[in-house]
Amino acid sequence: QSALTQPASVSGSPGQSITISCTGTSSDVGNYNLVSWYQQHPGKAPKLIIYEGSKRPSGVSNRFSGSKSGNTASLTISGLQAEDEADYYCCSYAGSGTWVFGGGTKLTVL
Amino acid sequence: EVQLVESGGGLVQPGGSLRVSCAASGFSVSSTYMSWVRQAPGKGLEWVSVIYSGGATYYAASVKGRFTISRDNSKNTLYLHMNSLRAEDTAVYYCARLASAGTGGFDYWGQGTLVTVSS
Repeated sequence: QSALTQPASVSGSPGQSITISCTGTSSDVGNYNLVSWYQQHPGKAPKLIIYEGSKRPSGVSNRFSGSKSGNTASLTISGLQAEDEADYYCCSYAGSGTWVFGGGTKLTVL
Repeated sequence: EVQLVESGGGLVQPGGSLRVSCAASGFSVSSTYMSWVRQAPGKGLEWVSVIYSGGATYYAASVKGRFTISRDNSKNTLYLHMNSLRAEDTAVYYCARLASAGTGGFDYWGQGTLVTVSS
């Protein structure tokens, strides 16, 4: 049950787009369409922003989008805003009832 | 309105036991999948355990055999019983609802309860 691999940090200027990758294996990301993404501001609980790889919960901005190719899932945030500065985590079903998170990516809006 | 409120965290000595609770409102814990996720200070999220609506339970390898997830349907409350605690179990413990039988992601989270394992 190794953590999914995410870049430790990414940055972008307001209005730009950024992409965060999430690399797993054929036992988790590559084998199930059950990748979700979470946004966490300091001192707050995580918030679901993408589920089933590319679906957005009600109320989540359409500036957030998700995709997957092989063993790697990606989160793209377009039109960066200052409020997007946060930690982002991916998560995948890993089989046998278990789930695995990525190590997290700190997004800095310059 | 869906709400999850954790309680029961605190300071416990290595080798000790603790039970944390998660009181749910706005839905029934018995009708959905419920999970515990933890976050060590300054670290990332780590999935800990899940209980399915049918009662099946699953655990991360790091806690299997030491932690037990359960629920009390009459109190609409989720529990995590933690035994043989280690320093590395120190974390904020969140309960989270796993929506749509696992396909909908962890859609609601509590505010978390801090468990500190130290002598």
